[in-house]
Amino acid sequence: QSLLTQPPSVSGAPGQRVTISCTGGSSNIGSGYDVNWYQHLPGTAPKALIYANFNRPSGVPERFTGSKSGTSVSLAISGLQAEDEADYFCQSYDTSLTAFIFGGGTKLTVL
Amino acid sequence: QVQLVQSGAEVKKPGASVKVSCKTSGYTFTKYAIHWMRQAPGQRLEWMGWINSGTSNTKFSQSFQGRVTISTDTSASTVYLELSSLTSEDTGVFYCALFRDAYYTTWGQGTQVTVSA
Repeated sequence: QSLLTQPPSVSGAPGQRVTISCTGGSSNIGSGYDVNWYQHLPGTAPKALIYANFNRPSGVPERFTGSKSGTSVSLAISGLQAEDEADYFCQSYDTSLTAFIFGGGTKLTVL
Repeated sequence: QVQLVQSGAEVKKPGASVKVSCKTSGYTFTKYAIHWMRQAPGQRLEWMGWINSGTSNTKFSQSFQGRVTISTDTSASTVYLELSSLTSEDTGVFYCALFRDAYYTTWGQGTQVTVSA
């Protein structure tokens, strides 16, 4: 598939660990294109969390980790904090569309 | 630090054009590309196109080809997005983002564009 699919929502209690999946297809993740993750609070600028599947930009806490398996990638957030409540979306490139593509976003609720 | 500051909200009539600016600072303007994205209400981000700020070469999504123009004013370290033949489906928030090291390192705050008769 030429789209990136994410669950609409996830939730967890403070201190817990949650994971957000991003599933692609043979023309994007399956073709070896890297996936990047962003955190977005409505009304603000999105912020980069993970780049090239696993790497954290300077200043991003180690609580945020990325992993990859086949045509899926995941973002894990451990030690949940109230300030983590936000939307998270993945991004890659699709060779069939010859376009940069985005996941639909996942809303994280900290209970 | 690197900053991208976008112009303010716009309200346009169907058929009109809109021009959104993205003023950059904190890095060498001509070294990196700027991309533009649109997010319609309740929809995912949609990539529109990008410009090489050094050469002014551009590439656009097929979804917007023919209606979109991206340009730069190097003296002002500013990138512009112009979208023509607006319809209600173009209503949404438009973002510019700095593409560096193969990801969007910094984003603008977004510009709301509303198309309404």
